Amino acid sequence: DVKVTQSSRYLVKRTGEKVFLECVQDMDHENMFWYRQDPGLGLRLIYFSYDVKMKEKGDIPEGYSVSREKKERFSLILESASTNQTSMYLCASTRGQGYGYTFGSGTRLTVV
Amino acid sequence: DQQVKQNSPSLSVQEGRISILNCDYTNSMFDYFLWYKKYPAEGPTFLISISSIKDKNEDGRFTVFLNKSAKHLSLHIVPSQPGDSAVYFCAALTTSGTYKYIFGTGTRLKVLA
Repeated sequence: DVKVTQSSRYLVKRTGEKVFLECVQDMDHENMFWYRQDPGLGLRLIYFSYDVKMKEKGDIPEGYSVSREKKERFSLILESASTNQTSMYLCASTRGQGYGYTFGSGTRLTVV
Repeated sequence: DQQVKQNSPSLSVQEGRISILNCDYTNSMFDYFLWYKKYPAEGPTFLISISSIKDKNEDGRFTVFLNKSAKHLSLHIVPSQPGDSAVYFCAALTTSGTYKYIFGTGTRLKVLA
């Protein structure tokens, strides 16, 4: 069964900490995405990547960065966590156009 | 600017009845649409899709209708079951462009037993 795995289901971090959210897919997909989900705002795209070492900003990249050193792994980095980054973070991958996303289970991050 | 809108944040339906979830979009370049279902503390799972060359796609209890002139799509669930209670997101894509889907804000469906 194909999978997108996010390393943590729940995280609690302090304001100002550097936070790493890891995502691994086993489908050999080139395209990977990071979204955050907030009530009333739906899923908003933070960053995406079409290939190794390639990244593009999504709609809300401020305060985040990403790393894609290997095809299967796409990491989201919060450089200095703030309380307004408390959210559900969802990683997804896709084979390409016309195919839907496969999502991970999500990471519920709380910044205190 | 919200290109994909789900104007009903929540919907309650009696078990066995029809659930209709609506989605409107503004970008006429969108030509591929999907519906996702999301349970709490889980990632969204793909439900059903439709290409702009069709106006209807059916999969079991789920049917998606697309009205291109109105820039509107809807998801019908018949009959509704308590296990259908979840948040439903519609998403749209321009297949000639990037692979990134634009998601709506979601509709929380509650099916009452």
